[in-house]
Amino acid sequence: DADVTQTPRNRITKTGKRIMLECSQTKGHDRMYWYRQDPGLGLRLIYYSFDVKDINKGEISDGYSVSRQAQAKFSLSLESAIPNQTALYFCATSDNQAVNYGYTFGSGTRLTVV
Amino acid sequence: GDSVTQMEGPVTLSEEAFLTINCTYTATGYPSLFWYVQYPGEGLQLLLKATKADDKGSNKGFEATYRKETTSFHLEKGSVQVSDSAVYFCALSDPRTGANNLFFGTGTRLTVIP
Repeated sequence: DADVTQTPRNRITKTGKRIMLECSQTKGHDRMYWYRQDPGLGLRLIYYSFDVKDINKGEISDGYSVSRQAQAKFSLSLESAIPNQTALYFCATSDNQAVNYGYTFGSGTRLTVV
Repeated sequence: GDSVTQMEGPVTLSEEAFLTINCTYTATGYPSLFWYVQYPGEGLQLLLKATKADDKGSNKGFEATYRKETTSFHLEKGSVQVSDSAVYFCALSDPRTGANNLFFGTGTRLTVIP
C-alpha cells in the first residue's frame, strides 16, 4: 500500500454539487496538507493541519473546507463545486522535520467540474 | 514573502545531453531547498534537498548546490535518459514561518527524446 492514499483518483462532477476528496496515510506523520495543481501555477496550498485539533487556511482556501477525522485522515470538501475548481489535487504529509526531509505526496485526485 | 522562481519549460533534450533547470528563491531567513519530480500520472517525489548554504544535494545523477550569494538552487544532470522525462519542481521551506509550509515553483516539464 502507498504511504499516502487519495480517493478517488478521478472524478467528474457537476457545478453546484458537494464533493469530498479523501486522504489517508500510514507514515505516522502529524502534519497533513492539501494542495491544488494548475498548469503554469505550480502547487498552491489550500489547507493544512498540524494535528487532529489544528486546522489552518492556506493561500487559496475560499470555496473549500477540510476535516481532520484522525491523525491518519484528512479530507477536503468542495461545498458547491464550480468549474474553476477543476484541477489536480494533492494530499501531502510531513513530520515536524519537514524543513529537513520535505513532504510525502499522494498520487493525486483529478477533479473536473462541468 | 517567500517565493520560488524556476525557468519556464518545456525543455526538450536528446538522450545523454546535459540538463540545467534554473531555480532562484526569495526568503528573508535561511530556508531549506528541495527539488521534487513528478512522473506522468503520479504524485510528487522528493528528488534531492539541501538545508544550508553550500550544501550539495544529489540523487539519481541529479545535483543541485545551495548558493546563498546568488539565492539559487539550479538542478543539473550530466547525461539525461528518456526515463528522466517528468515535471520538476523547485521548492523551499522556511522554518521562520513556523508552519513548515513548502513554497513551490511553477514546475518545468522535461522531455528526453531517444
